[in-house]
Amino acid sequence: KQEVTQIPAALSVPEGENLVLNCSFTDSAIYNLQWFRQDPGKGLTSLLLIQSSQREQTSGRLNASLDKSSGRSTLYIAASQPGDSATYLCAVDSAGNQFYFGTGTSLTVIP
Amino acid sequence: DAGVIQSPRHEVTEMGQEVTLRCKPISGHNSLFWYRQTMMRGLELLIYFNNNVPIDDSGMPEDRFSAKMPNASFSTLKIQPSEPRDSAVYFCASSSQGWGYTFGSGTRLTVV
Repeated sequence: KQEVTQIPAALSVPEGENLVLNCSFTDSAIYNLQWFRQDPGKGLTSLLLIQSSQREQTSGRLNASLDKSSGRSTLYIAASQPGDSATYLCAVDSAGNQFYFGTGTSLTVIP
Repeated sequence: DAGVIQSPRHEVTEMGQEVTLRCKPISGHNSLFWYRQTMMRGLELLIYFNNNVPIDDSGMPEDRFSAKMPNASFSTLKIQPSEPRDSAVYFCASSSQGWGYTFGSGTRLTVV
């Protein structure tokens, strides 16, 4: 069974800093990987989806990379803002339509 | 597209009562998932359907939980009888093969 780990569990940075969130998975045979954002008391919002054949995806200040061979993905956030404060979840699709979620990284951006 | 629609947004019920949660997936998505989220256990997959057929219900906690998908545009998750430990946020998500999840806004269930 796929296991997904996110480190660190919590991160606090001053506004303006660039930061990296990490996601690791145990089985490299994946279909795709998806990063989500969850605000307190809200649902999950999809940020980026990386197909297994891709190495990275970018959306605005966000860049997600995928290295299947090492079982790792990173989410890079440039020039962080207080509005980026949320929990970020990584999900790995190992079977074509079943995602395994990490436990998330809680990010706080301090004004 | 209105996205994945869940109802109700909030539900407060007394222990022992039946609770029904509803979900309308995105049109054209062939898979539907029910998740439960709590502080202690995070996101747990309860059951998922592919083309309206239940594929894996191993995450359903016990016989008090049941889920149906009578057609491609509607699914229900029922808890009967409900217990306080069922209190959580229940999410529905849909997807098209290999193209990631879209989540609904969730139903916050409180059983008193």
